[in-house]
Amino acid sequence: NAGVMQNPRHLVRRRGQEARLRCSPMKGHSHVYWYRQLPEEGLKFMVYLQKENIIDESGMPKERFSAEFPKEGPSILRIQQVVRGDSAAYFCASSPPYGGAYNEQFFGPGTRLTVL
Amino acid sequence: KNEVEQSPQNLTAQEGEFITINCSYSVGISALHWLQQHPGGGIVSLFMLSSGKKKHGRLIATINIQEKHSSLHITASHPRDSAVYICALSSNTGNQFYFGTGTSLTVIP
Repeated sequence: NAGVMQNPRHLVRRRGQEARLRCSPMKGHSHVYWYRQLPEEGLKFMVYLQKENIIDESGMPKERFSAEFPKEGPSILRIQQVVRGDSAAYFCASSPPYGGAYNEQFFGPGTRLTVL
Repeated sequence: KNEVEQSPQNLTAQEGEFITINCSYSVGISALHWLQQHPGGGIVSLFMLSSGKKKHGRLIATINIQEKHSSLHITASHPRDSAVYICALSSNTGNQFYFGTGTSLTVIP
């Protein structure tokens, strides 16, 4: 049973480009969470999704950021028109269908985004 | 004020020492999580607890709901325990996770 997979592991973008980060949850998991870790800072919650539903996006910046978790395929975190301040490690976690956010989460290895 | 406060921020110990990392919080929780982040960046969930105490190998986690406090203990510390340990909370009023800023532990041989 593979763990949570994220790709790419490293992503370099120039200012103004789009970044797409992918997260494949563990088999059988239907809840996905995205977190951001800015350099020298702690983890911050961004968004919590279930299949085809955004449950809580209160941690998402109001502009340029969006997330989806389609019925088929990985969850996608999309950042449009990236700026240098978006450079960070983006972690995805997944949990089983029961318990929601109260359940143990399993983390992916992260995607390190660098904006030039 | 942060919802989650960890102490100490940095900790250096000699191999074999008993280590304690503390976490205090100010919100209602459904569960408290201890995470470990290694220098390479990967994050591992160590414990999830809502009451009492849990033990896994040399690691012990306790929580006191009334005092809103949790501790992570490492017995017989080893250099491979060197990592950042993060306390995180599942809120009981929504679906959010609140994170502490982490405790950076270095265990010297």
